Amino acid sequence: NAGVTQTPKFQVLKTGQSMTLQCAQDMNHEYMSWYRQDPGMGLRLIHYSVGAGITDQGEVPNGYNVSRSTTEDFPLRLLSAAPSQTSVYFCASSYFLWDTQYFGPGTRLTVL
Amino acid sequence: GENVEQHPSTLSVQEGDSAVIKCTYSDSASNYFPWYKQELGKRPQLIIDIRSNVGEKKDQRIAVTLNKTAKHFSLHITETQPEDSAVYFCAATFSGSARQLTFGSGTQLTVLP
Repeated sequence: NAGVTQTPKFQVLKTGQSMTLQCAQDMNHEYMSWYRQDPGMGLRLIHYSVGAGITDQGEVPNGYNVSRSTTEDFPLRLLSAAPSQTSVYFCASSYFLWDTQYFGPGTRLTVL
Repeated sequence: GENVEQHPSTLSVQEGDSAVIKCTYSDSASNYFPWYKQELGKRPQLIIDIRSNVGEKKDQRIAVTLNKTAKHFSLHITETQPEDSAVYFCAATFSGSARQLTFGSGTQLTVLP
């Protein structure tokens, strides 16, 4: 099993550009989520999904969209990048919330 | 909103000593409390978790205790080793948003040889 994979590993954007961060898992997990990690602020939840076709907002959803068309994939879209979105982004998956969250390797995003 | 406070933000201990990290939470109905370890440049990984119907859980040198009355839980690492150096995050679920995990801000643990 590859576990949770994320692409790209690094990305530099200009203010106003859009892009999609990819996340995929091959463990047949129902629960998937996106976090951003900033220094001194821990992991903050952006969006999550409890199954295909179901998504919901987390703590910091503004400026991001998600969709869940399949169990395996959970892409995160930045609509119009801003410097405040410079961060490390982690995707995670699990069978359900009260279970081990398996994190992807992360995407380091810089917005100039 | 719901909150998890984690202390201390940095902790240095001598190799072989014990380390304790404490988290407090705001929702008395919280029922799941995991701890994650993140080594430099790596992804977070679960090291131990506890549910609200249990007061303590141990796994070799690691233990977690839960005090529901005081709304706090703690990570205890005994006989620390240099490879324990990492950032540790606590987390909790909240009844008002039961499908989300809220993380603490993290503790940088350094084990000095």
